[in-house]
Amino acid sequence: AQSVAQPEDQVNVAEGNPLTVKCTYSVSGNPYLFWYVQYPNRGLQFLLKYITGDNLVKGSYGFEAEFNKSQTSFHLKKPSALVSDSALYFCAVRDNAGKSTFGDGTTLTVKP
Amino acid sequence: KAGVTQTPRYLIKTRGQQVTLSCSPISGHRSVSWYQQTPGQGLQFLFEYFSETQRNKGNFPGRFSGRQFSNSRSEMNVSTLELGDSALYLCASSLQLEDGQYFGPGTRLTVL
Repeated sequence: AQSVAQPEDQVNVAEGNPLTVKCTYSVSGNPYLFWYVQYPNRGLQFLLKYITGDNLVKGSYGFEAEFNKSQTSFHLKKPSALVSDSALYFCAVRDNAGKSTFGDGTTLTVKP
Repeated sequence: KAGVTQTPRYLIKTRGQQVTLSCSPISGHRSVSWYQQTPGQGLQFLFEYFSETQRNKGNFPGRFSGRQFSNSRSEMNVSTLELGDSALYLCASSLQLEDGQYFGPGTRLTVL
């Protein structure tokens, strides 16, 4: 069975500082990995994905994620956080049969 | 392109009733997935359809069912509603498995 863990319920960062939101996963075969963001009172939005290739993938709004196969991790990063990045972030894994598993989410708060 | 649309946006039902929710994916997207989102359980995968075939199903009782039509529109049905079925039901579409999913605004179901 596949699983996703986001070990931190909450991440607090000062504006302008780098941010990392952690995610580890367990899945059979090659994973399709995704990050989504949910802003207050708005729907879930796709941020970025890893399918194959470079371990560092770039996505929307300046976010990037680093895939590490040996550590089965897919951490979300941004070099310089903005107050507007404050939101709920979900990591997800999808298998080749279409089943998706989402982590419990991490609330990111960026303080001015 | 129009986004994923879900109808109705809000529903109030009583225990024992049944309900049908509708989802129209982004034009050209053939994969449609359904999720249940609750504060306590997070995002739980219900099922995924691709070209009218259910490819995968989450760990939900048989009261939860769905289907996809030839135009990729999808419906999900919940029979014999229980109080615990109160949740936000999200529909998401994607072009292929390896693509990010685009979420609708959800249908907020309240069971009294």
